[in-house]
Amino acid sequence: DVKVTQSSRYLVKRTGEKVFLECVQDMDHENMFWYRQDPGLGLRLIYFSYDVKMKEKGDIPEGYSVSREKKERFSLILESASTNQTSMYLCASSFRTTLADGYTFGSGTRLTVV
Amino acid sequence: AQSVTQPDIHITVSEGASLELRCNYSYGATPYLFWYVQSPGQGLQLLLKYFSGDTLVQGIKGFEAEFKRSQSSFNLRKPSVHWSDAAEYFCAVAPFSGGYNKLIFGAGTRLAVHP
Repeated sequence: DVKVTQSSRYLVKRTGEKVFLECVQDMDHENMFWYRQDPGLGLRLIYFSYDVKMKEKGDIPEGYSVSREKKERFSLILESASTNQTSMYLCASSFRTTLADGYTFGSGTRLTVV
Repeated sequence: AQSVTQPDIHITVSEGASLELRCNYSYGATPYLFWYVQSPGQGLQLLLKYFSGDTLVQGIKGFEAEFKRSQSSFNLRKPSVHWSDAAEYFCAVAPFSGGYNKLIFGAGTRLAVHP
């Protein structure tokens, strides 16, 4: 019954590495989102996409990029990982024209950059 | 400024006690309103939502929330808390300015439950 799948629960990467976080949804949602979650700061939107090959910056896009080549898959890319990108990353999806079911979230990826 | 405020960062209650988590928003038109719960190490799960109509809404896990237009609030309640309710709770709004399809989250309230 899994609807939004994030490829890794835990990741440890070295400073300067290129990091890919993958998210797949099976609900035919148009919108997909990447958030990072840090203690005391809540959820902060990094990027979102409302269609294939479309993307928009969220509140904290610096140091990140995204890719959406297929409707069901939304990738977050850390071009050169830094220790301040150690965080919990959450992917979410929703329909474009209605929030009748809100956002559906994945289980999260806890990334540690050393 | 438009915002979603959860005034309590941490709340501790005893098992069996009642619970109320506060949420206030500042948007011109009444937004759509949501509560999510996040268990440790997990993603967020939708507890309940309010779009219109009856101002008292029922959700999963025995939770309810009441919309009060005059106070711009959407507080979450549970009459008797269970130890398994220990989690972080997020209020979220979908404002009219975003076409009602983009969520803005509060900073969260972490709930601890004493046995």
